[in-house]
Formats: sequence, structure tokens, C-alpha cells
Amino acid sequence: GESVGLHLPTLSVQEGDNSIINCAYSNSASDYFIWYKQESGKGPQFIIDIRSNMDKRQGQRVTVLLNKTVKHLSLQIAATQPGDSAVYFCAENTGANSKLTFGKGITLSVRP
Amino acid sequence: NAGVTQTPKFQVLKTGQSMTLQCAQDMNHNSMYWYRQDPGMGLRLIYYSASEGTTDKGEVPNGYNVSRLNKREFSLRLESAAPSQTSVYFCASSEARTSGSYEQYFGPGTRLTVT
Repeated sequence: GESVGLHLPTLSVQEGDNSIINCAYSNSASDYFIWYKQESGKGPQFIIDIRSNMDKRQGQRVTVLLNKTVKHLSLQIAATQPGDSAVYFCAENTGANSKLTFGKGITLSVRP
Repeated sequence: NAGVTQTPKFQVLKTGQSMTLQCAQDMNHNSMYWYRQDPGMGLRLIYYSASEGTTDKGEVPNGYNVSRLNKREFSLRLESAAPSQTSVYFCASSEARTSGSYEQYFGPGTRLTVT
């Protein structure tokens, strides 16, 4: 079947380099943000989340940075591996209910 | 725990046929969701259910109906399928935690083609 990654912006990185995936959000009332990874043929998987009272949060090999002033979110992946190749989505929540609003996604391609 | 399960995995329909996509979760979550995903697009919310007995429209509800059968199950029905409904459908569930996390857990998806 057709890949969901077609027609999406693509970030190509060398294996071992650090990757930075950016996301702009539009709702200044959003107070919760989350990154998902989606491999081909699978459902999205949680990577990391952050609340608006934080600027930075670190996980295993991943860091999320939040800049509320310019409504910008980024996901940093250290020492990118071939298994990191996937489509990455950011999503936001305003706290009014449990719904998430998803961005369109970015394809990360890792060159060996 | 199986997490979120969806059936069927693949389906081909002719225009005008009807079908129901099934979703179940075993995490005792209150909220469940149906999304569609088209090439080059993000996930678009079709319907969601904040709790058992309630359902609400999302961004793209036209042509769909849902049923929250019980706390575990949330089904999506296409009454008269159209080619524009060719897509990958994902079900998800969540439970707002005291930490303020709204993480949603996704099923593996149903790939639907309408000819």
C-alpha cells in the first residue's frame, strides 16, 4: 500500500549524527505536547511528552524542547540509528478535553 | 495485555457497501478515538468517546457513525462507502493521568480500499 510518508517533508541524516525534528504549533492555549513515531505499516508509538511548565525534557537518546514564545517544539535524537527511520508526528492538547491535535508529520531517513 | 486491537487488518469494499470496523482496548481507559490517515496527511479525528455512553464528532465525521458498546469497545461504521473513504483507520485509547499526560495508545490500523 502507499506509504503514509509520501509527500511529507523529509529529513535525511547520516547514521551516528544527531537529528533535530521541528514542529510549529498554532494554539497558544495548548499546555501539553507529545511526539509519536510511526514505522511503515504500524500505528503511532509514543516517544516523549512535555507539559508547558517545562522547557526541556530528556528521555533515552531523545530530548524534547519547547519554546512557548514562538510556539515551537523540537525533537532531538542523539546518535541516529537506522531503526529511527520513520515518520514523526507532534501533537498538542489544550487541556479542555483529552483530544490531541496532530501535525502532518516529517519523514526521517537515516543514511548508512 | 494486548493493548488496542483492531479488526479487520485489511478490507476492500465496493462503492455503496457498508461495514463496521471493530476496536477493543484492555487497559481500562475511559477515552477512545477513531482517526483516519491519508498519504502526506497527519491523523485526522473522525469521532471520539470521552467515556462509556458518550460520543462526539471530530474533524471529519461525515459518512461515519460510531458506537461505544461498552468501556472496552468502540466501533466505526461506514453506512455507504465512497472512494473518498479509502484510507488507513486507527483506533486509540487514553486515560488522563494525575501527571497530566494525555498519551494515546494506538492500534495497528485497518487499511480500507473502496473501489
